[in-house]
Amino acid sequence: SQELEQSPQSLIVQEGKNLTINCTSSKTLYGLYWYKQKYGEGLIFLMMLQKGGEEKSHEKITAKLDEKKQQSSLHITASQPSHAGIYLCGADQAGTALIFGKGTTLSVSS
Amino acid sequence: NAGVTQTPKFRVLKTGQSMTLLCAQDMNHEYMYWYRQDPGMGLRLIHYSVGEGTTAKGEVPDGYNVSRLKKQNFLLGLESAAPSQTSVYFCASVGTGAFYGYTFGSGTRLTVV
Repeated sequence: SQELEQSPQSLIVQEGKNLTINCTSSKTLYGLYWYKQKYGEGLIFLMMLQKGGEEKSHEKITAKLDEKKQQSSLHITASQPSHAGIYLCGADQAGTALIFGKGTTLSVSS
Repeated sequence: NAGVTQTPKFRVLKTGQSMTLLCAQDMNHEYMYWYRQDPGMGLRLIHYSVGEGTTAKGEVPDGYNVSRLKKQNFLLGLESAAPSQTSVYFCASVGTGAFYGYTFGSGTRLTVV
């Protein structure tokens, strides 16, 4: 079965700094989703990437998909306290449902 | 639109008790899912449904049953709760051809003592 590995597991950054979270799949990626979760709440959809080389941005968050490496990266520019939370990547398992990585916990210190 | 609504939000059960978690969506979505989230384990799929009257097992189905009698509702049942079922349960739904990802409920925090 497909597995998604996220790195790092957690990180603490100073407000204003940039950061990158990676998600690597053990199998071919057909669709890659990024979600954000605040503690005690549900998951909020950030963006979806489908094609190799695709890049999408939402406010200060940019995600890229490298099909050959079976990897996606999430980059946050000039981090703010509002960016703190758990970031999860999810991938389509053909014919069933999304599987998820274990998440990356982001803390932003002011 | 309410989106995906889960009830209850919190529950404490004694070992051996039974309960049903309700998930309701008002977006006319075909597909619905139940996940559990545990520390260090991420989200794991319990059961899912691709349409009214259909259900299928996910990664961790043991100890759970589901039903999808109406399109808008997806029920998750625990017949005899065990401490290992202490977790946060999330329901999600998505429509066909959707490019916006799953819509998740806010979760049910279940503790089995």
